[in-house]
Amino acid sequence: DVKVTQSSRYLVKRTGEKVFLECVQDMDHENMFWYRQDPGLGLRLIYFSYDVKMKEKGDIPEGYSVSREKKERFSLILESASTNQTSMYLCASGLPTSINSPLHFGNGTRLTVT
Amino acid sequence: AQSVTQLGSHVSVSEGALVLLRCNYSSSVPPYLFWYVQYPNQGLQLLLKYTTGATLVKGINGFEAEFKKSETSFHLTKPSAHMSDAAEYFCAVSDLPGGTSYGKLTFGQGTILTVHP
Repeated sequence: DVKVTQSSRYLVKRTGEKVFLECVQDMDHENMFWYRQDPGLGLRLIYFSYDVKMKEKGDIPEGYSVSREKKERFSLILESASTNQTSMYLCASGLPTSINSPLHFGNGTRLTVT
Repeated sequence: AQSVTQLGSHVSVSEGALVLLRCNYSSSVPPYLFWYVQYPNQGLQLLLKYTTGATLVKGINGFEAEFKKSETSFHLTKPSAHMSDAAEYFCAVSDLPGGTSYGKLTFGQGTILTVHP
């Protein structure tokens, strides 16, 4: 079974802090994604990566950056956390253009910024 | 640009009743469509997908969905609801089959399904 592991289940940070959210997958997937989930808004794509050191902006990249130094690890960085970044963050991974390969999601990190 | 609209943020049914969750999409290319389910405190799990071929697709846990191009719809149904179906359901669209490459997945707003005994 594919496993996508997010390092923290719950995180509480203060405004202005630098925050790192970590995600690791164990299936050698090329593609990795960070989504943000908010009630009534569904999931919105922040950034994705299709290879090591490669990244693309999603729909809401402002206030975020990412890092992918190794294939299995994709980090989301909040350079200076703000209260409007309080949310559930979901990491996902998958193979490129494969009909039989869906996205696999982690269990999420619920971030609260006070 | 692609978009997905799920009609109804909350749906409530009795156990044993029909489940119908509505999804309409907009896509400039032939769409690939997905339904995901999220149980409390968990990530998303794929229920079913439509890529090409038969327009009625069957998924896990007795769910199915029908792709109707003329109506730009991909509604999710289950003939008889079970208490364990209570969860949040997301419809998603991609312009690539696996939904995992540059095409990425665009999600709807989600529908919370409540099942009453």
